[in-house]
Amino acid sequence: DQQVKQNSPSLSVQEGRISILNCDYTNSMFDYFLWYKKYPAEGPTFLISISSIKDKNEDGRFTVFLNKSAKHLSLHIVPSQPGDSAVYFCAASFSGTYKYIFGTGTRLKVLA
Amino acid sequence: GAVVSQHPSRVICKSGTSVKIECRSLDFQATTMFWYRQFPKKSLMLMATSNEGSKATYEQGVEKDKFLINHASLTLSTLTVTSAHPEDSSFYICSARDGGAITDTQYFGPGTRLTVL
Repeated sequence: DQQVKQNSPSLSVQEGRISILNCDYTNSMFDYFLWYKKYPAEGPTFLISISSIKDKNEDGRFTVFLNKSAKHLSLHIVPSQPGDSAVYFCAASFSGTYKYIFGTGTRLKVLA
Repeated sequence: GAVVSQHPSRVICKSGTSVKIECRSLDFQATTMFWYRQFPKKSLMLMATSNEGSKATYEQGVEKDKFLINHASLTLSTLTVTSAHPEDSSFYICSARDGGAITDTQYFGPGTRLTVL
């Protein structure tokens, strides 16, 4: 039973435009969410996180939105750059447990 | 940012042998480390949680006698795949949580590609 889902396995976006990656979760007890970026044969790199007490967190070109009623979060990258091409994983956690449940990943391709 | 290293990055071994993978936090003390496994084009699956000085907590379905985890210091955790078989071939990734941080963010190592012949 996949508690964290990324329903789009891949996404292509033109350079300079906005990339929107989506993530849905089923357990309303999750209270901490993160996005990681991963290149092949490398470990994930932390991008941005959000606590359930917020609905938005911004860091440079990356913004994460959290809609608790819909159990949905999204990552916006603007403007998208070719170097952003990678697989993006969302992860959810119960704070205090430190355990992450990862989504299945979305492969983003930014076209020059 | 926090740096986590893994060694080796790649290992090829014969079936029946044991392989040890090291995970180190280089610039922080990691009270908790995690071991994940990633199958091709799949998500990262948590195998076990390792707390310094105590026994690891394994996720359901993970054989603790096959995947031995030791977290002897605040900067080092090891995963030993015992009597490896071809089905153990995978990408193994560790992560570490900064014990001094107020957030739950985990920092990941670069991963180890294990191939069992």
